[in-house]
Amino acid sequence: GESVGLHLPTLSVQEGDNSIINCAYSNSASDYFIWYKQESGKGPQFIIDIRSNMDKRQGQRVTVLLNKTVKHLSLQIAATQPGDSAVYFCAEIATVNKFYFGSGTKLNVKP
Amino acid sequence: EAQVTQNPRYLITVTGKKLTVTCSQNMNHEYMSWYRQDPGLGLRQIYYSMNVEVTDKGDVPEGYKVSRKEKRNFPLILESPSPNQTSLYFCASSLGTEQQPQHFGDGTRLSIL
Repeated sequence: GESVGLHLPTLSVQEGDNSIINCAYSNSASDYFIWYKQESGKGPQFIIDIRSNMDKRQGQRVTVLLNKTVKHLSLQIAATQPGDSAVYFCAEIATVNKFYFGSGTKLNVKP
Repeated sequence: EAQVTQNPRYLITVTGKKLTVTCSQNMNHEYMSWYRQDPGLGLRQIYYSMNVEVTDKGDVPEGYKVSRKEKRNFPLILESPSPNQTSLYFCASSLGTEQQPQHFGDGTRLSIL
């Protein structure tokens, strides 16, 4: 809902530009990572995932990069559109059954 | 359509009055989980279930109960709600936990007065 966006770092980009959203994860044993998009009033929606044996994965207009050395994950959105405005957060699976989620970044796309 | 359905979507109630939030999925997923989402804290896991009759605590289980009598349903029970349980709640499911993304419902906003 709307309150999810409060207190979050915000990234503002111009429509058509590329966006890069970053996430630092905590557990070096994590072997699976997911990016989610959450629009106001809706549940998190799966965007893309990556396994720890990869350092890059591409989807439609999105790319996820994984740097295990510094425990960093990024989501790149090409040609950002107004419909991309949402809160984005990463998730890691550190142990079986347990998902850990970042607090998110609010993406604001200016027309 | 594959989906996770939560009910109710919104509820305002009073301290101490037992409530249940239902969750149902139609994807034959084995793994189901409940989260609460609070500003600045992200999603925190309350309880999860690996399969029917198998449940376990997440990171913030105090004040909550769950049950998994059928594969498709995973209700969240607040026996004696308190104001600190005012939050946005999400149910999620996945085929398994071995590198499988979770699918989320649209959330239930609970206000405990």
